[in-house]
Amino acid sequence: NAGVTQTPKFRVLKTGQSMTLLCAQDMNHEYMYWYRQDPGMGLRLIHYSVGEGTTAKGEVPDGYNVSRLKKQNFLLGLESAAPSQTSVYFCASRTTSGGTGELFFGEGSRLTVL
Amino acid sequence: AQSVTQLDSQVPVFEEAPVELRCNYSSSVSVYLFWYVQYPNQGLQLLLKYLSGSTLVKGINGFEAEFNKSQTSFHLRKPSVHISDTAEYFCAVSDLRDTGNQFYFGTGTSLTVIP
Repeated sequence: NAGVTQTPKFRVLKTGQSMTLLCAQDMNHEYMYWYRQDPGMGLRLIHYSVGEGTTAKGEVPDGYNVSRLKKQNFLLGLESAAPSQTSVYFCASRTTSGGTGELFFGEGSRLTVL
Repeated sequence: AQSVTQLDSQVPVFEEAPVELRCNYSSSVSVYLFWYVQYPNQGLQLLLKYLSGSTLVKGINGFEAEFNKSQTSFHLRKPSVHISDTAEYFCAVSDLRDTGNQFYFGTGTSLTVIP
């Protein structure tokens, strides 16, 4: 039972480079989310999706883009990485639209931008 | 939008002592409440959740939390902690009024259990 899988788990980029983080879930969940975690700031929502082909902005969307072409996958892209984007990124998914379903998290992707 | 406040950023406690981690949120209208735990270099795992009904909720690993609507609080408690409880704990609120039923997280409380 894989749950939520994130790849890659670690990445080092230079300023200006681009990359994509992949999130895959095998639980047939409708909702998927990307968060970033920074010391002393908890988790902040970057973007989310309520279904295949839909995306929406969260609290801190600037500098990121997302796509949900397939229900099980949610991609987070950085077009031109900046040092401020050094963080741990978590993908999460949930099963219901009524707010009763808890979030299931991946193990995180640690990104360093030099 | 909701705001979630975890009043203590770090809580040291001796092994087998009780502990309370505090959480306050901004509005009790149409919300569900959660506590998550994060062990080092891992993702977040659900400890417990309050959706409705009894205000005292029991979770995994002996943790429990009490929903207090009038004080907009959802404090986490454990009567006797173990070394293995050392972790980061996050309080979260799901606001049913938001598109996507977004979760709002507190800044976390680092619990350190001292032998």
